[in-house]
Amino acid sequence: QSVLTQPPSVSGAPGQRVTISCTGSTSNIGARYDVHWYQQLPGRAPKLLIYSNTNRPSGVPDRFSGSKSGTSASLVITGLQAEDEADYYCQSYDSSLSGSWVFGGGTKLTVL
Amino acid sequence: QLQLQESGPGLVKPSETLSLTCTVYGGSIRTTDYYWAWLRQPPGKGLEWIGSIYYSGSTYSNPSLESRVTISVDTSKNQFFLKLTSVTAADTAVYYCARQIVGTNGEWVDYWGQGALVNVSS
Repeated sequence: QSVLTQPPSVSGAPGQRVTISCTGSTSNIGARYDVHWYQQLPGRAPKLLIYSNTNRPSGVPDRFSGSKSGTSASLVITGLQAEDEADYYCQSYDSSLSGSWVFGGGTKLTVL
Repeated sequence: QLQLQESGPGLVKPSETLSLTCTVYGGSIRTTDYYWAWLRQPPGKGLEWIGSIYYSGSTYSNPSLESRVTISVDTSKNQFFLKLTSVTAADTAVYYCARQIVGTNGEWVDYWGQGALVNVSS
């Protein structure tokens, strides 16, 4: 069971908007540790999508955006495209039990 | 363009030691700007951070794996290494090496290797 909770799956039609949530606790997201998001295409290594809650690396389309509030964070994808079909993971840091990076269990995005 | 490449045996017997090498291309591992990390992903499952190392050799790792993990670096070869002892089938995974950024309120990976599948089986 993952420390950060994500929905196992979400779906949307091309052009639509989808939101992927990432829920943590007061020892990670709620402790003001940043949240980062990765996209993993089938059979590929993960790729950094959002860092420090809201920032996009160079080359990531502005269709992808992130936010954080309290003990949760969200990834929003607008103008959904077929190529967005992938697994998405959130990641943060947890200060309990000597401290460690923590990940969500991943969300499979299906483009209908 | 920075590239990271994992290498090592794809099959390890239970109770033995898993050893992997990460070679960094297109950039120096001897930099004050980044750390270097190992992560893994069991087949069909999520991601797990194993541990991280600075070019000076300073390391820290996941408390759940700490007793079995050794991470080291050879700056002359632009490589860093992972050793995981006493492996079991639960250690079967794709192992990734990565470049890590340390920010004010967290740490994250900005470059990933392609991954190396390691099976633990007799």
